Amino acid sequence: AQSVSQHNHHVILSEAASLELGCNYSYGGTVNLFWYVQYPGQHLQLLLKYFSGDPLVKGIKGFEAEFIKSKFSFNLRKPSVQWSDTAEYFCALYNFNKFYFGSGTKLNVKP
Amino acid sequence: EAQVTQNPRYLITVTGKKLTVTCSQNMNHEYMSWYRQDPGLGLRQIYYSMNVEVTDKGDVPEGYKVSRKEKRNFPLILESPSPNQTSLYFCASSLPPGLAGSAEQFFGPGTRLTVL
Repeated sequence: AQSVSQHNHHVILSEAASLELGCNYSYGGTVNLFWYVQYPGQHLQLLLKYFSGDPLVKGIKGFEAEFIKSKFSFNLRKPSVQWSDTAEYFCALYNFNKFYFGSGTKLNVKP
Repeated sequence: EAQVTQNPRYLITVTGKKLTVTCSQNMNHEYMSWYRQDPGLGLRQIYYSMNVEVTDKGDVPEGYKVSRKEKRNFPLILESPSPNQTSLYFCASSLPPGLAGSAEQFFGPGTRLTVL
């Protein structure tokens, strides 16, 4: 069965620090990958998605992710975080009509 | 405004009392889905629907039912709720995933359910 792992459960950074959140998935075939963000008190919103092509995907608010097939990874990055990036981040995989989400990473950015 | 709505937003009930959480979308999306979110477990898919009258189990379907009689509505039914179904529930909709490289899911605001 497919699964998605996010090993960083809670990350604390200062403003302007660089961010990288890990995401690994278990399926070896063609995958569709996503990062969603959940700001405090809000519902999930799409940050970016990967279906095919360029493995470096750019999303909203300066986020990007790199798909590395050999490592089964889809890590999320941002060069310089802001206090407003404080949120919970979820990596997700779509395959065979189903979605699989990771357990989430809570990011706290200190002003 | 394009949106997914859920009702109720908050619900406290007792074990065994049947309940329904409604979900409606106004984007003419074919794909709809229900998730539960629990601390440390992320979101887990309960049921999904590819289109009207087409539903299938997700990862955690036990104790839940769904129906898709109309394209816009996808209610979640708990016939006999138990305390382990206390959770935050999200409904989502999208164009058919996997087609045309889309599948951005639009999420509803969530329903916080407590079963005593």
